[in-house]
Amino acid sequence: GAVVSQHPSRVICKSGTSVKIECRSLDFQATTMFWYRQFPKQSLMLMATSNEGSKATYEQGVEKDKFLINHASLTLSTLTVTSAHPEDSSFYICSARGGARDNEQFFGPGTRLTVL
Amino acid sequence: QKEVEQNSGPLSVPEGAIASLNCTYSDRGSQSFFWYRQYSGKSPELIMFIYSNGDKEDGRFTAQLNKASQYVSLLIRDSQPSDSATYLCAVKSPGNQFYFGTGTSLTVIP
Repeated sequence: GAVVSQHPSRVICKSGTSVKIECRSLDFQATTMFWYRQFPKQSLMLMATSNEGSKATYEQGVEKDKFLINHASLTLSTLTVTSAHPEDSSFYICSARGGARDNEQFFGPGTRLTVL
Repeated sequence: QKEVEQNSGPLSVPEGAIASLNCTYSDRGSQSFFWYRQYSGKSPELIMFIYSNGDKEDGRFTAQLNKASQYVSLLIRDSQPSDSATYLCAVKSPGNQFYFGTGTSLTVIP
């Protein structure tokens, strides 16, 4: 399958700081990238969908000013969690589709965020 | 009504048995169907996709699609403990959106 990477894989930060997570498609051009959040033993929750070069579309209940998404190129999308709080601690997963891989969605390995 | 529905389980089968995972979807116009496997603490991994009615086999995995009944299933033959995971069903709508089920937790008992 296609390769999607995420960085960092794990991050611990203090409350009130901002954290940036990168998502890269390594072997295809990702016209669309998705950001999910998953709490322990719960299902995937779609946070937002971003198309290259345009503003992200956020799901209901997701604060766009808190979760900043940038999809500036066909291979990179970033999610910045601003002013993080302990309740933002979660597993953040990106996925991507596009080009020859447009009919499928490939997930990155995820980033585990812990806010102290 | 949710777009994609799965029984959350847990589903337990003995090693060597057939595990059967089921999924229903609401949009009759959907054309593409996917099964992902997610191990605890890991992200989902695509294991099968199916676009046409009938069966599609890949090793120990068989995906079955019945568009008339709006039903897609995944069979895992000769189940192994390493198959223990949560299995997510995903459906791509005519509007080009992906909808995921909440997943079925499978445990294969040695």
